[in-house]
Amino acid sequence: SAVISQKPSRDICQRGTSLTIQCQVDSQVTMMFWYRQQPGQSLTLIATANQGSEATYESGFVIDKFPISRPNLTFSTLTVSNMSPEDSSIYLCSVERSGRAGDTQYFGPGTRLTVL
Amino acid sequence: QKEVEQNSGPLSVPEGAIASLNCTYSDRGSQSFFWYRQYSGKSPELIMFIYSNGDKEDGRFTAQLNKASQYVSLLIRDSQPSDSATYLCAVWETSGSRLTFGEGTQLTVNP
Repeated sequence: SAVISQKPSRDICQRGTSLTIQCQVDSQVTMMFWYRQQPGQSLTLIATANQGSEATYESGFVIDKFPISRPNLTFSTLTVSNMSPEDSSIYLCSVERSGRAGDTQYFGPGTRLTVL
Repeated sequence: QKEVEQNSGPLSVPEGAIASLNCTYSDRGSQSFFWYRQYSGKSPELIMFIYSNGDKEDGRFTAQLNKASQYVSLLIRDSQPSDSATYLCAVWETSGSRLTFGEGTQLTVNP
């Protein structure tokens, strides 16, 4: 497995502001992923973040709203921009240690975001 | 049609019984299949992964895969109250290079 930490663990934000979520892994990983889990729902992939390349966004998610950085092999950030109450969710990062597509993903503890 | 579908819950079983959780998927080319457990307020925790047709056992957990039927299941033997959680089926879709999750099945094990 992997030891993954996220900051902040939770936050309450005002509409129109932005929040940057950090994801730190205890060892180098090739692939990192960002997911959203809205209340009472399952996980939805926002984007895949590989070091050295631009993040790949899923349908319905755009870079202007969810900019992602991946400066090295152990760290990534997701920013939720110009927030609205609809952005209230749990945001999760995950990693795939082997670098092989389709291998096991391990999840961080999540960031619980509430937008007022 | 949803890409990954799980049997609708919630599922309630008595302590010591076998809990059966089912999942079907639409991408016939999928090769990797996962079961995650998620306690309320926590992040998903990997329970099992399976790549080949047949059964894979790990302690009280058995994953079953049938690629021809596009079906994967998880059996929990001797269910314990601590198994009460939401179980998420996830499939790596080679067509989209992404892990797609089902909606989850909430399991309650009654003492």
